Amino acid sequence: NAGVTQTPKFQVLKTGQSMTLQCAQDMNHNSMYWYRQDPGMGLRLIYYSASEGTTDKGEVPNGYNVSRLNKREFSLRLESAAPSQTSVYFCASSEITGGIQPQHFGDGTRLSIL
Amino acid sequence: GENVEQHPSTLSVQEGDSAVIKCTYSDSASNYFPWYKQELGKGPQLIIDIRSNVGEKKDQRIAVTLNKTAKHFSLHITETQPEDSAVYFCAAPPGGSYIPTFGRGTSLIVHP
Repeated sequence: NAGVTQTPKFQVLKTGQSMTLQCAQDMNHNSMYWYRQDPGMGLRLIYYSASEGTTDKGEVPNGYNVSRLNKREFSLRLESAAPSQTSVYFCASSEITGGIQPQHFGDGTRLSIL
Repeated sequence: GENVEQHPSTLSVQEGDSAVIKCTYSDSASNYFPWYKQELGKGPQLIIDIRSNVGEKKDQRIAVTLNKTAKHFSLHITETQPEDSAVYFCAAPPGGSYIPTFGRGTSLIVHP
């Protein structure tokens, strides 16, 4: 059982380039999330999708866009990458029916912007 | 919104010692408190969680305690082993939300 799968695992971009980070989950969860993790800052929410067809901004949405392609897939796009977006990006999913449930995380995409 | 503070940021112990990590939260309506373990190069994984209707929960060498009056909850690891070395995150969703606010993490180092 794969859980949450993120691609690619590593990427180096030049300033101004665009890129899409892919995420897929096989647990039939309704909700999906994108976080960024920077040293000493914990996990900060970029965007989330409560269910297929909906997306909402999190704490740090500027410079990003998302697409909830279907129930399984939730992608994160950087239209014009900036050095400040150098980070480790994590996708997560959870079920929210029947009360709050824990999140399941992928193993991250390590992104460097030069 | 919810404010979650986690201490200490780094914790170094000898193998076999106990380790305690504490988190405080601001929203008195919060009612779910998970702890995640993140190993190097991996994503966070849930290790234990507690809901507001109980004060303590144990799973082998790990336990979580919750004090709703003081708005804090703690992770306790007994008989630490080198494989416990990792970054640990606490989290709490604000009341009425399912989206957690995370603490900034504690890097636990267990020396053999």
